[in-house]
Amino acid sequence: GQNIDQPTEMTATEGAIVQINCTYQTSGFNGLFWYQQHAGEAPTFLSYNVLDGLEEKGRFSSFLSRSKGYSYLLLKELQMKDSASYLCAVQDSNYQLIWGAGTKLIIKP
Amino acid sequence: GAVVSQHPSRVICKSGTSVKIECRSLDFQATTMFWYRQFPKQSLMLMATSNEGSKATYEQGVEKDKFLINHASLTLSTLTVTSAHPEDSSFYICSASSGGEVNTEAFFGQGTRLTVV
Repeated sequence: GQNIDQPTEMTATEGAIVQINCTYQTSGFNGLFWYQQHAGEAPTFLSYNVLDGLEEKGRFSSFLSRSKGYSYLLLKELQMKDSASYLCAVQDSNYQLIWGAGTKLIIKP
Repeated sequence: GAVVSQHPSRVICKSGTSVKIECRSLDFQATTMFWYRQFPKQSLMLMATSNEGSKATYEQGVEKDKFLINHASLTLSTLTVTSAHPEDSSFYICSASSGGEVNTEAFFGQGTRLTVV
């Protein structure tokens, strides 16, 4: 079956760095997405990786290793507003998104 | 980036009535639209996938006669919850993409909070 694993919850300190991991087993691979979702709101797009390596976008970076079925989202200089759920999703061979359960990130002062 | 507009953002309805939720892609042609349901503190659950001009494909366990999906144009899809019951109360989210291409980002609507009383 298809499976996306990510930690349920993480806690970090304001100003610090946090890495959220995602491992996947899917039928084919056409890209991996990271989304941010604040409570009660729809998800917003953060990043897309289809080739191995690191993609950097300001304070957020996303890494992909297709051979390991592994990705991580790296958040630097954490701010209180970064408290949210972070969803990992893989686009399979049919271009359908397979979603992880999300990681709730709690930022403490 | 592309914009997907979902309406209404919140709706309260009486048990037994029907509710229609609209999802519009404002600046691109959405050949494929997805409808999700999300319960509190849970991830998105795909309900159905619709391609413009054809019948929607429903996920296992989703009643197609209860959740009617229409995707009549490249910019509009609707989800109608028929004969709503309190257990249908949930957060419904649509997303739209331009089709089965690599690097196709799915853009989300704002979501609709449905409460059935």
